Amino acid sequence: AQSVTQLDSQVPVFEEAPVELRCNYSSSVSVYLFWYVQYPNQGLQLLLKYLSGSTLVESINGFEAEFNKSQTSFHLRKPSVHISDTAEYFCAVSDDNTDKLIFGTGTRLQVFP
Amino acid sequence: DSGVTQTPKHLITATGQRVTLRCSPRSGDLSVYWYQQSLDQGLQFLIQYYNGEERAKGNILERFSAQQFPDLHSELNLSSLELGDSALYFCASSVQGGTQYFGPGTRLLVL
Repeated sequence: AQSVTQLDSQVPVFEEAPVELRCNYSSSVSVYLFWYVQYPNQGLQLLLKYLSGSTLVESINGFEAEFNKSQTSFHLRKPSVHISDTAEYFCAVSDDNTDKLIFGTGTRLQVFP
Repeated sequence: DSGVTQTPKHLITATGQRVTLRCSPRSGDLSVYWYQQSLDQGLQFLIQYYNGEERAKGNILERFSAQQFPDLHSELNLSSLELGDSALYFCASSVQGGTQYFGPGTRLLVL
């Protein structure tokens, strides 16, 4: 069965500092990986995804994630965060056998001025 | 804006009652998914419909049911509501097997 682990429930960071949000997955088949962001009192927005091809994927707002099959990881990184990046970030996995998304427990990123 | 709409935005009801949540998928998307987000359970997949037929079931209680209509909108029916059913219910849609786009959610409060 698939599972997703987000080890850090909260990550506090100062503005303009780099950040890494960790995600590890468990699956016996080829996977698709996603990062979704949830701003306060809002729904889930797709941040970026890995379906196939290049293992490094980027979003339009400066985030990037690298698919590492050997370490079964899909960590999210940003070299310099902004106050507006404060949100909850969810890692999710699916595969060819099922379309459903399995989510991690989320990481709350808090950016301080 | 993801293109997925959900109504109502908020719902307050009492234990034992029944409610219906509605979802309209993005234009062209045939798959609709329902998820529940609660403080103790996190984000959990409930059920998926594809072009009117049930495709997959997750941790959905027997008191809950869903359907997808010919116009592809979907409804999630929650009955005999309990306090623990209070949660944020999300609908998502996708082209078959593709990236899922989420609606804004319906926040349900059971008193």
